Formats: sequence, structure tokens, C-alpha cells
Amino acid sequence: EIVLTQSPGTLSLSPGERATLSCRASQSVSNNYLAWYQQKPGQAPRLLIYDASSRATGIPDRFSGSGSGTDFTLTISRLEPDDFAVYYCQQYDSAWTFGQGTKVEIK
Amino acid sequence: EVQLVESGGGLVTPGGSLRLSCAASGFTFSSYSMNWVRQAPGKGLEWVSSISSSSGYIYYADSMKGRFTISRDNAKNSLYLQMNSLRADDTAVYYCARGSRIQLSNSVFDYWGQGTRVTVSS
Repeated sequence: EIVLTQSPGTLSLSPGERATLSCRASQSVSNNYLAWYQQKPGQAPRLLIYDASSRATGIPDRFSGSGSGTDFTLTISRLEPDDFAVYYCQQYDSAWTFGQGTKVEIK
Repeated sequence: EVQLVESGGGLVTPGGSLRLSCAASGFTFSSYSMNWVRQAPGKGLEWVSSISSSSGYIYYADSMKGRFTISRDNAKNSLYLQMNSLRADDTAVYYCARGSRIQLSNSVFDYWGQGTRVTVSS
């Protein structure tokens, strides 16, 4: 099983700042089969990024994904009030596993 | 518009059974793989099970094998999860999610329902 470790656990930032979230895999993720999801309280997760760097339909370009192999990053270029949420990475190379999540909170 | 609506959750005693349903609309259900994901209270997301478009391929997370059964009825545009021998640690919100590709493998979950809550308690 591929284990995903996200860091940091919590990120405290102000609107307008840049957010950088990390996801590290226990083994290489082939073909960059790595996705990022956003979840707000009481809501279902929403797909943001797939194949490590492709934005899903309707996702603003302030969200970007990068990385390969075992190290992946989600960057939010300028945080908007609506972006404060929990973010999960997921690998879909070998079955499916999720990271434990990173909470982006207002500083 | 893609819509996924889960139902069937509720309170069940340990050792009991429950059948969850997910009604799909707004897309050609028979052309997509489907999945169940759960989230325990205050915890992260946990993949439960996945099924290919024609039910030919089915996968389960290890902790669910032998207790949970995923199925689908393409004529009814519906996905199901039969859960038996339920335990307290099965308490969670259960989401159905569409796979992004026809084939099951290497599909990301592109649309999610709002979830149905399952509570296992005596």
C-alpha cells in the first residue's frame, strides 16, 4: 500500500498569501497519478488537481499542482477567503489511498 | 449536471447490517466506474471500495474485505454498498464518488455525493 504523508498538518495564513502544501509518498507514484481535493466543513470533497498538475473543471488558476515520483506540492498562489479548508492528496496508481490532510486556516 | 445522492444510512447496533444506495443522474452511469469513500467523525478520508462500469472488476480496502459488498445496477443508475458485521469503527459518513475513466484502474474521483451518515452503536 502506498502511504501518503501530508505536511504541515495545519497552515495558518492570511488572505492574499501563498500556500504551499506537501504530499510525500512511501513509494514512487507512477505516471503522476496523484490528485488533490478540497473539503470544507459539512461538505463533500471537491476534486482540484489530477495527474499531479492538471486542474479539474472549473478550478481557478490560483491552484496549481507539481511534483513527481514521491514528492508532490499543491500551491495556492493568493489565498481567498473561500480557500480556507482542508486539503487531501490521493494516489490512484495502486488502488487508492489518501493523505491525512492539511488544514489551511485563517491567521 | 452530475448528481450523486446517497441514502440508507442510520443507527445500527454492532454486528448488524446496513445497505447504502447512491442514485446517479446527469451522466451515462453505465460508462463510469464508481466508488465508496468514508470519513469517520473528525478524521480524514478513507477509500472503501470500487467497481468498474460493468461490474467486472471490484476492489475493497483490506479492512472491509469479507464484510462489505459493492454492487451496481446500471438499469437503475444506482450504486450499492452492503455492509455486514458492522463495528463501532465503521461509524462514518459514507460518500459515493464517480470514477473519471471507464476503466477502474487509475481513475480519480471527479464527482462526489453529499454523503450518508452511518452510526454503529449499542
